[in-house]
Amino acid sequence: AQSVTQLDSQVPVFEEAPVELRCNYSSSVSVYLFWYVQYPNQGLQLLLKYLSGSTLVKSINGFEAEFNKSQTSFHLRKPSVHISDTAEYFCAVSDGYNNDMRFGAGTRLTVKP
Amino acid sequence: DTAVSQTPKYLVTQMGNDKSIKCEQNLGHDTMYWYKQDSKKFLKIMFSYNNKELIINETVPNRFSPKSPDKAHLNLHINSLELGDSAVYFCASSLAGGDTQYFGPGTRLTVL
Repeated sequence: AQSVTQLDSQVPVFEEAPVELRCNYSSSVSVYLFWYVQYPNQGLQLLLKYLSGSTLVKSINGFEAEFNKSQTSFHLRKPSVHISDTAEYFCAVSDGYNNDMRFGAGTRLTVKP
Repeated sequence: DTAVSQTPKYLVTQMGNDKSIKCEQNLGHDTMYWYKQDSKKFLKIMFSYNNKELIINETVPNRFSPKSPDKAHLNLHINSLELGDSAVYFCASSLAGGDTQYFGPGTRLTVL
């Protein structure tokens, strides 16, 4: 079965600074990769995903992630964060056929003024 | 229009009670899930149903029983509640094939 490791449990940054949230996965088959965001007291929302094709995927609010097969990574980046980006971020991997999605432990991003 | 809805949003109950959480999706998806999120935010899949058939059944106490009356609904019934059941429970849905899952707002269960 596939699994995900998020290397940082907490990432504090100042507003307008760049940020990278790290994610590594393990799987014996081809995978789909996802980043979800959870704002306080809410459910998870899809931020971006990689299914196939271009290895660089982007969200509408400035985040991007790059699928790196050789390093089995899918790190999330943003060049300049806002206070409103403060949330919990989850990396997830799916094997693409039996709907079995596994989540990492989450990274708490805190953006300080 | 809410895509995935759950009721109730909050549930406070005593140990030993039996309770249910309801989930409905209006996205036309054929696969639905239940997840448990603990106090450390760790998210663990409990069950997955595809077209009313149980697909994934993780190591969950048999006090937890999912019921899917139709493709749009997946309810979670919990018998003999224990303190350790306190968590936030999320329902989700997707199309078959491992693509994006859409999550409900969560039900915060507190067992006293």
